[in-house]
Amino acid sequence: DGGITQSPKYLFRKEGQNVTLSCEQNLNHDAMYWYRQDPGQGLRLIYYSQIVNDFQKGDIAEGYSVSREKKESFPLTVTSAQKNPTAFYLCASRTWSGDGTEAFFGQGTRLTVV
Amino acid sequence: GDSVTQMEGPVTLSEEAFLTINCTYTATGYPSLFWYVQYPGEGLQLLLKATKADDKGSNKGFEATYRKETTSFHLEKGSVQVSDSAVYFCALMSGGSNYKLTFGKGTLLTVNP
Repeated sequence: DGGITQSPKYLFRKEGQNVTLSCEQNLNHDAMYWYRQDPGQGLRLIYYSQIVNDFQKGDIAEGYSVSREKKESFPLTVTSAQKNPTAFYLCASRTWSGDGTEAFFGQGTRLTVV
Repeated sequence: GDSVTQMEGPVTLSEEAFLTINCTYTATGYPSLFWYVQYPGEGLQLLLKATKADDKGSNKGFEATYRKETTSFHLEKGSVQVSDSAVYFCALMSGGSNYKLTFGKGTLLTVNP
């Protein structure tokens, strides 16, 4: 089955530790995105990548880093510089179809920092 | 920059009631418009989309029409079911914003039997 796989589903880390969230897609999509979701705030864009070896900051990139070494993979590292990292993180990829563009989402990773 | 404003919730309805969730947008160029649905603890699923003015997106009894003159994309369903209980997000994507997907804050819908 084609899709986007995020792992793990739940992640617990101690304050001050870096943590990496995995996102893999087998849809052959060029573009990939990371969003953060907090209650009452909708989804906010952290980083996005339109093509391998290239990525851009989104609206809330501070305290996060990414890499895009392979088309299928777009891991997100939450660093100790991120002041409030506890949140639900969503990865997405985008395709072009005959009637336009659309984005597909993974099932999310819930990160809790204690 | 691009922005999406959607009706704040929560919205609570009885089964078989009519649903409207309002969504308006600001965007550069000619965006594509989307409604996504999120069930508890899950990611987002595309519900419907429209790519140009006057297009109507529809799926599972939900509908939304791309209104360029009012910059709106309101979600409607004639008869909701308990299984429709979820959070609904309006979103847009435009070339002017480098194809970033911009979301509204979401509307929680609860349907009671």
